[in-house]
Amino acid sequence: QQPVQSPQAVILREGEDAVINCSSSKALYSVHWYRQKHGEAPVFLMILLKGGEQKGHDKISASFNEKKQQSSLYLTASQLSYSGTYFCGTESWDSNSGYALNFGKGTSLLVTP
Amino acid sequence: NAGVTQTPKFRVLKTGQSMTLLCAQDMNHEYMYWYRQDPGMGLRLIHYSVGEGTTAKGEVPDGYNVSRLKKQNFLLGLESAAPSQTSVYFCASRAQGASNQPQHFGDGTRLSIL
Repeated sequence: QQPVQSPQAVILREGEDAVINCSSSKALYSVHWYRQKHGEAPVFLMILLKGGEQKGHDKISASFNEKKQQSSLYLTASQLSYSGTYFCGTESWDSNSGYALNFGKGTSLLVTP
Repeated sequence: NAGVTQTPKFRVLKTGQSMTLLCAQDMNHEYMYWYRQDPGMGLRLIHYSVGEGTTAKGEVPDGYNVSRLKKQNFLLGLESAAPSQTSVYFCASRAQGASNQPQHFGDGTRLSIL
């Protein structure tokens, strides 16, 4: 049920771009993206709802392809503060228990000066 | 503005002991979740609740029980703790499912089973 994220880890120099991918084997209602710093709780970035959309958040944006059950997070002109672990969460319907939100294993991103 | 509060923040248990982790939210959210986080495994859903009095199993429910007797509280119980349950546990709440409402996470409970 966990979505699959790729890559597992990426190292960037400040100013470079990165893409993090997320895919699920289940039909999705929404995709959530969070960033976590070491020793802290995950912090919300954005939600994309089914219907196929793209969202932007400063220099961080994301897309959601409902038919392919895939989402991608785009980080442009990376800053040192972007370092952390990025998680995608996928929301799917279960007739017995409602909407569950499962997270992937995460992508570790390190931005260096 | 407390948000999501987890109690305790740290705990060390011996194998076989039992304990309850408390999650409290003051946002009147319907949905609440318990996750465990282990190195390299991401956040794995243990149990969740879509409203007061309801609970549902997530991906890794074995060895845990939950209760949602009050809307604001979601309790996670370990009846007989095992070393494999050493982990960081996160609780989260959300206004409702299938919406543009984000999850709000607590600060986590670091649990060690010796």
